[in-house]
Amino acid sequence: DVKVTQSSRYLVKRTGEKVFLECVQDMDHENMFWYRQDPGLGLRLIYFSYDVKMKEKGDIPEGYSVSREKKERFSLILESASTNQTSMYLCASRHRDTYEQYFGPGTRLTVT
Amino acid sequence: AQSVAQPEDQVNVAEGNPLTVKCTYSVSGNPYLFWYVQYPNRGLQFLLKYITGDNLVKGSYGFEAEFNKSQTSFHLKKPSALVSDSALYFCAVRDSSSYKLIFGSGTRLLVRP
Repeated sequence: DVKVTQSSRYLVKRTGEKVFLECVQDMDHENMFWYRQDPGLGLRLIYFSYDVKMKEKGDIPEGYSVSREKKERFSLILESASTNQTSMYLCASRHRDTYEQYFGPGTRLTVT
Repeated sequence: AQSVAQPEDQVNVAEGNPLTVKCTYSVSGNPYLFWYVQYPNRGLQFLLKYITGDNLVKGSYGFEAEFNKSQTSFHLKKPSALVSDSALYFCAVRDSSSYKLIFGSGTRLLVRP
């Protein structure tokens, strides 16, 4: 069965802190994605990775960076958290020969 | 620009009645279309997709979707709604130049007993 896990379900951080969100998939998928979900805005793509050590900016990369050192793990980094980064963060993965993406349970991040 | 529109923020339906959640799209080339469902405090679950072939696509939990090229629509349907279908539904289209999915803003489905 397809499995994408995220390191935390809920996270509370202070403004200016460095924040790491981890995502792990056990399906040997090449592609991985980070989205943020906000009410009324749907899902917006932050960054994605075609394969190990490869990354590409999505639609809203400002204030974020990513790391993909191993195939199964894709990390999202908030270098200096701000209150406007309070959101639900969703990780997804996809096999290169298919089209649908598989999502993790999400991390609800609150920055105070 | 490629986009997806879900014109209804919320759809209300009585249990046992048919339901429709609307989606229209704008994309260059052939559309690859998807529906996802999100239950409270959960990630998104894949329901169904249209890539090519029959315009009526069947998916999980008794849902189906009808692709209409002339109307650029991909509406989600179910013949008989269940209270447990209450959730947030997202339509998505694949960006024709990359692997990215473009999501609609979501429609909240509320099925009342």
